[in-house]
Amino acid sequence: DIQMTQSPSSLSASVGDRVTITCRASQSISTYLNWYQQKPGKAPNLLIYAASSLQSGVPSRFSGSGSGTDFTLTIASLQPEDFATFYCQQTLSIPRTFGQGTKVEIK
Amino acid sequence: QVHLVQSGAEVKKPGASVKVSCKASGYTFTTYAIHWVRQAPGQRLEWMGWVNAASGLTKYSPKFQGRVTITRDTSATTAYMEVSSLRSEDTAVYYCARQSDLVAGPLDYWGQGTLVTVSS
Repeated sequence: DIQMTQSPSSLSASVGDRVTITCRASQSISTYLNWYQQKPGKAPNLLIYAASSLQSGVPSRFSGSGSGTDFTLTIASLQPEDFATFYCQQTLSIPRTFGQGTKVEIK
Repeated sequence: QVHLVQSGAEVKKPGASVKVSCKASGYTFTTYAIHWVRQAPGQRLEWMGWVNAASGLTKYSPKFQGRVTITRDTSATTAYMEVSSLRSEDTAVYYCARQSDLVAGPLDYWGQGTLVTVSS
């Protein structure tokens, strides 16, 4: 299985802050990497697909980059509605593993 | 408008089986694969498997191979996920999700989740 490791596991930030979350794959996955946001008690919501493409309807403050084994999700200016847990998922091979999640909390 | 509506919460005893349904609407059911993902309390998302809604072909995570069965009924536009030999570690929220036709096959629509509780 391809292992996905996110860092940090949690972070505290203020509204307006720039936030960066990293996801590392245990082997190269090209750009077969997607990012999701999950709020408590809700299903995940797709933010970024293929490492850097913004899903329709997602605010432009979200962006993704990377290829191979190292990927980044950036929130340019954190908004109150962005406080949630973020997950990366690789889709190169089965099982389609997720990272352990990064919880973004209010400072 | 795309919707995936799942069946309601279940409470099962260890050793029993559970079958969760996922009713799709708002798109051509056979065009997109359906995936199943679960999340135990306080844990990460865990991918279980998927079904090609057109052909019925399935792929499973090795962890669940032999204990999980994913099927679909095209006339009912519904996918199903059955877990057998339930144990306490299977207590989780189970989600179905549609795989989009975008590059890297992301999951663009999700069901609301079904809580399965395994307890004696």
